[in-house]
Amino acid sequence: GAVVSQHPSWVICKSGTSVKIECRSLDFQATTMFWYRQFPKQSLMLMATSNEGSKATYEQGVEKDKFLINHASLTLSTLTVTSAHPEDSSFYICSARPGTAGNTEAFFGQGTRLTVV
Amino acid sequence: GNSVTQMEGPVTLSEEAFLTINCTYTATGYPSLFWYVQYPGEGLQLLLKATKADDKGSNKGFEATYRKETTSFHLEKGSVQVSDSAVYFCALSGTGGYNKLIFGAGTRLAVHP
Repeated sequence: GAVVSQHPSWVICKSGTSVKIECRSLDFQATTMFWYRQFPKQSLMLMATSNEGSKATYEQGVEKDKFLINHASLTLSTLTVTSAHPEDSSFYICSARPGTAGNTEAFFGQGTRLTVV
Repeated sequence: GNSVTQMEGPVTLSEEAFLTINCTYTATGYPSLFWYVQYPGEGLQLLLKATKADDKGSNKGFEATYRKETTSFHLEKGSVQVSDSAVYFCALSGTGGYNKLIFGAGTRLAVHP
């Protein structure tokens, strides 16, 4: 199947600093990518939909200025956690689909574990 | 809005036991339904899917049938193995709005020898 690569796989940062997470579709183009957050032993919470060449669409309750999303090309989306705080510590996962239809498989990155100290 | 409800875990079974993980959904229109699996320390992988009513998705001995009348997509396997130990997520994809995937809470399965 298609491959989605996420980097870094883990990061530790100091409170108040910003962290950038990259999500790349390696063998297909993705007009749309999705960013999720997963708390320990919980489900994936959709944070935002990243659209190539336009602004991201954020889910209710997700701070746009806190979680900056840039989808600069058809194979790359980035999530920047700005002014990180310990409560932002979590597992962040991106996904992408080769097509736009709802019945197509979504491929997931391996996730990024963020720890803010 | 669209939502998915899964049975709470953890589910603990002995090897070769029968597995059922219940999943029901709420959605407008005709969503596609998926089961994803997350093995320890790994990302999510598609296990199976069904895109219309009465479709049956199957893979690796797992099956699930899209039941529109009961808005359900229960996951079943006749004989589980230790290697099936993982977290299973039911998900749906809507018919509009970028077709984003909405996940259930996940069900952790532990299979013992």
